[in-house]
Amino acid sequence: QKEVEQNSGPLSVPEGAIASLNCTYSDRVSQSFFWYRQYSGKSPELIMSIYSNGDKEDGRFTAQLNKASQYVSLLIRDSQPSDSATYLCAVKSNNDMRFGAGTRLTVKP
Amino acid sequence: EPEVTQTPSHQVTQMGQEVILRCVPISNHLYFYWYRQILGQKVEFLVSFYNNEISEKSEIFDDQFSVERPDGSNFTLKIRSTKLEDSAMYFCASSRGNINYGYTFGSGTRLTVV
Repeated sequence: QKEVEQNSGPLSVPEGAIASLNCTYSDRVSQSFFWYRQYSGKSPELIMSIYSNGDKEDGRFTAQLNKASQYVSLLIRDSQPSDSATYLCAVKSNNDMRFGAGTRLTVKP
Repeated sequence: EPEVTQTPSHQVTQMGQEVILRCVPISNHLYFYWYRQILGQKVEFLVSFYNNEISEKSEIFDDQFSVERPDGSNFTLKIRSTKLEDSAMYFCASSRGNINYGYTFGSGTRLTVV
């Protein structure tokens, strides 16, 4: 069974703070890792992808991957109220991408 | 920006009926997927499709479900003999490549079985 685990939250941070979202996965042969944002009632929207161990930065977002620990994280710097959403971790092996249950983030003005 | 288009946005059907959910993937994408999300729950993988055949399917995707690419643009999910528990949001997605490519999702079809 290919499991992707996330803290369901809710995670609440003040505006301007760093939000830290975590994810672990069970399938050791997983090859690529993604973070999606999902607003209530909407479809998932891709915000970050990472394939190699280490950090990958894109604007206010930094994804971190540690394959030995089977751990992926997403940092959101200078959090804005518009970042309030559910963040989905997704793990892909071959043609099969599985999602975690998501972490609900609330950024308070 | 290219989009994945899904129709209808909302479908209500009676238990036991068959439904067909339609999707038009992004035109230069080669891989196609269906996911579902029951209200308040996680996004669940159903099936992936490449080169006119199923490449992966989950334990959810049983004989009740089938997929088809009837022409060069549409990608459909058929659900036979619908049950109350099939009520969910169904998302179509497509990607340009296999391993290191994320998916672009459509806006979804909300299926309500009554």
